[in-house]
This record gives sequence, C-alpha cells and structure tokens, in this order.
Amino acid sequence: AQSVAQPEDQVNVAEGNPLTVKCTYSVSGNPYLFWYVQYPNRGLQFLLKYITGDNLVKGSYGFEAEFNKSQTSFHLKKPSAIVSDSALYFCAVREGGGFKTIFGAGTRLFVKA
Amino acid sequence: EADIYQTPRYLVIGTGKKITLECSQTMGHDKMYWYQQDPGMELHLIHYSYGVNSTEKGDLSSESTVSRIRTEHFPLTLESARPSHTSQYLCASSERSSTGELFFGEGSRLTVL
Repeated sequence: AQSVAQPEDQVNVAEGNPLTVKCTYSVSGNPYLFWYVQYPNRGLQFLLKYITGDNLVKGSYGFEAEFNKSQTSFHLKKPSAIVSDSALYFCAVREGGGFKTIFGAGTRLFVKA
Repeated sequence: EADIYQTPRYLVIGTGKKITLECSQTMGHDKMYWYQQDPGMELHLIHYSYGVNSTEKGDLSSESTVSRIRTEHFPLTLESARPSHTSQYLCASSERSSTGELFFGEGSRLTVL
C-alpha cells in the first residue's frame, strides 16, 4: 500500500531565508510524486511533480523539489521565502501506472516578515 | 488556470435534508475524484471515476453516492444529511495518463446543523 509522511505539522521561516518542507513516501513500484499548495478556503493548486528523469524538479512560484530514491524522500524547497508563501502544503504519491493519489497530512508554512 | 467548478461553495442545512454537490470540468478529463477534508487537515479519497458510467468507492467510507452520466459532470449526493457529514468536499479531475496531476475545484464547505 502506498503512503506519504510529512513529519512537520508546521514550519516557520523568516522572509528571505531558504525553506524546506519535508516529505517521505512508500510505494511498491515506481513513485509519481507531487506537491500541492492550499490557501485558506480554497482548493489545492499543483506546484510540481516528479515522474522520471532529473532528480531535481522545478515548479511554480520558484519552488523546487529533490527526489531521493535511497531515502524515499521528496522535499520541497525554495531558496528565498516570501510572506505570501504562507499556506498549507501537501505532498502526494501515486504508484506508477496506478490510479489513486494519496496525500500526506499537510505542513503549514509560516513566513514571517 | 484549472477549469473545474464546484457549487455551492458554502451550504448550511438541517439534519435529514437531501443535498447534491455539483462538480463540472471543461478540460475533457476522463478521471474525476471526490476528496473529503476537514479544515486544514489531510485529504481522504471518498469516490472516483475512470469515465462515464464508472464509479468506485475510495479509501474513506462515505454515506454519499456519486454518478457519472456525462464526462464533464460528477455530482455527489447525500440522501439524508447528518452533523457528522460537516466537512469540506473537494472535487478534482485528471487526464487519462497516469502521470497527470490533479486539478481541484475551490471546494464545497458543508455544515449540517
């Protein structure tokens, strides 16, 4: 069975500093990995995905994520945080060729000015 | 920007009433999904559909039902609402390929008194 873990309920970072939101996963086959962001009272918005190829993937709003197969991780990163990055971030996994997307519990990011 | 729409955005209703949450997408996606999310919490898959006349139950048991008579439309119905159904319901769609990301609607926040 596939699963996703986001070990931090909340991440606090000062504006201008780099940020990292952690994610680890478990699947039987090849993982398809996704990051989504949710602003208050809104649906989720897609940020980026890893399917195959280069382990470093770049996405919307300056975010990037690194796929690490040996550590089964897919951490979300941004070199310089801004206040408007404050939101709820979800990591998700889908087993390659599968149908269901499983979401982590979410990590709330606070960026302080 | 995703073309997937949910109505109503907010609904407050009394116990025992029948409700239908509407979801429509204009992207021609075969796959559609319903997730249940308590505010700021993780998402749970409750229904999904591969295409017209295909519906399946998700990982979280739900008393709701769904139908998929047209590709673009995936309504969710509760025959008799109860306070335990109070939650946010998120509709999503994705392309036929298993590598595609999910496109989410803005959500329907249901409160049952």
